Amino acid sequence: DQQVKQNSPSLSVQEGRISILNCDYTNSMFDYFLWYKKYPAEGPTFLISISSIKDKNEDGRFTVFLNKSAKHLSLHIVPSQPGDSAVYFCAGVEAGTYKYIFGTGTRLKVLA
Amino acid sequence: DTGVSQDPRHKITKRGQNVTFRCDPISEHNRLYWYRQTLGQGPEFLTYFQNEAQLEKSRLLSDRFSAERPKGSFSTLEIQRTEQGDSAMYLCASSDGTSVGNEQFFGPGTRLTVL
Repeated sequence: DQQVKQNSPSLSVQEGRISILNCDYTNSMFDYFLWYKKYPAEGPTFLISISSIKDKNEDGRFTVFLNKSAKHLSLHIVPSQPGDSAVYFCAGVEAGTYKYIFGTGTRLKVLA
Repeated sequence: DTGVSQDPRHKITKRGQNVTFRCDPISEHNRLYWYRQTLGQGPEFLTYFQNEAQLEKSRLLSDRFSAERPKGSFSTLEIQRTEQGDSAMYLCASSDGTSVGNEQFFGPGTRLTVL
């Protein structure tokens, strides 16, 4: 029962271009979504979040879009930098709980 | 404060042995979480504490797994009679519950290898 799906295991993008990472979910009870970045041998690091009552949240180079009707969210990174190369996880949090459900991750490689 | 710390970073054990991991959250964070991550997967929720109370527990947490947070500060995760399927990265995270988006701060993890 995969409630959060990241169907692209990997993505390569040229430096300076836009990176778009996608995430689909099945649980209608999620009220918050978060994106995390993970480097090897480190724990995940929080990037950006969005409430289910919004459709967009922006923080510097990072923007998250939420399409509730499609149960889909995406993370846009503009412009992409080599230091953005990492594994990106999306996660959903069900209303009234503190249980975070993570996707399987997408490995982003930004080519210099 | 340098963030969430976990000890040990690596643990190799033989099947059937018991192991215990420790997590020290960011001070003042009243919420603490344990996750397990295997290769190619995202972190899987195991359990959650608010202060010393264990409020949620995943079905993944079998009877061989127990977690405690006795004084509402550090936490321990014990696995009894380890099995090869327990080999994974065990991640701890903490939060203060006031951050927008319920942001969690993760530790570096403890990598367990069961031979």
